[in-house]
Amino acid sequence: LAKTTQPISMDSYEGQEVNITCSHNNIATNDYITWYQQFPSQGPRFIIQGYKTKVTNEVASLFIPADRKSSTLSLPRVSLSDTAVYYCLVGDNQAGTALIFGKGTTLSVSS
Amino acid sequence: EAGVVQSPRYKIIEKKQPVAFWCNPISGHNTLYWYLQNLGQGPELLIRYENEEAVDDSQLPKDRFSAERLKGVDSTLKIQPAELGDSAVYLCASSLGGTSGPRRQFFGPGTRLTVL
Repeated sequence: LAKTTQPISMDSYEGQEVNITCSHNNIATNDYITWYQQFPSQGPRFIIQGYKTKVTNEVASLFIPADRKSSTLSLPRVSLSDTAVYYCLVGDNQAGTALIFGKGTTLSVSS
Repeated sequence: EAGVVQSPRYKIIEKKQPVAFWCNPISGHNTLYWYLQNLGQGPELLIRYENEEAVDDSQLPKDRFSAERLKGVDSTLKIQPAELGDSAVYLCASSLGGTSGPRRQFFGPGTRLTVL
């Protein structure tokens, strides 16, 4: 399973766009990139998943360059409620194998 | 649709005592995972079930931890005897099997275990 590297923490203000970059130099051909969000005292929650180029849903966008060695989670116009830990995971999960969580990025949004 | 249900939410025990956690996955999800999460760390897999079969338990400390998933629905994770270092949050997750590509995992709220 590919190892990921992401910043330990980030700070932002309400209304700003936040971009969290994740490095995964050893990503394999079958691997997908998945991001989860975790609030205190809750389990992680799926945000977005992609294989290449760009994926957008109602809460975030995921940008993946052609070489797929990194990816960027983009949160538009963050609010205080976006304060959480964000995990970048890489894996094929074809057979339901569990993904490996790192320490994640703690995002703190201030007013 | 109900999410993943776990109980209890909190448990405090003394070391060397046994403890059990229960998980009811989302209806229809045949894959069930148990994770352990220490403070400031990401979740770490303990065991994964496909229906009632444990297909990945390489990270489960089998000398004191055990798990079962009878009938391929709900699951129980047990620790006997508990040690101080077992204090952590125990998360259960489930996913829908048989889908192509990576599976989205749905997590429960976790059980926070404190061993005194």
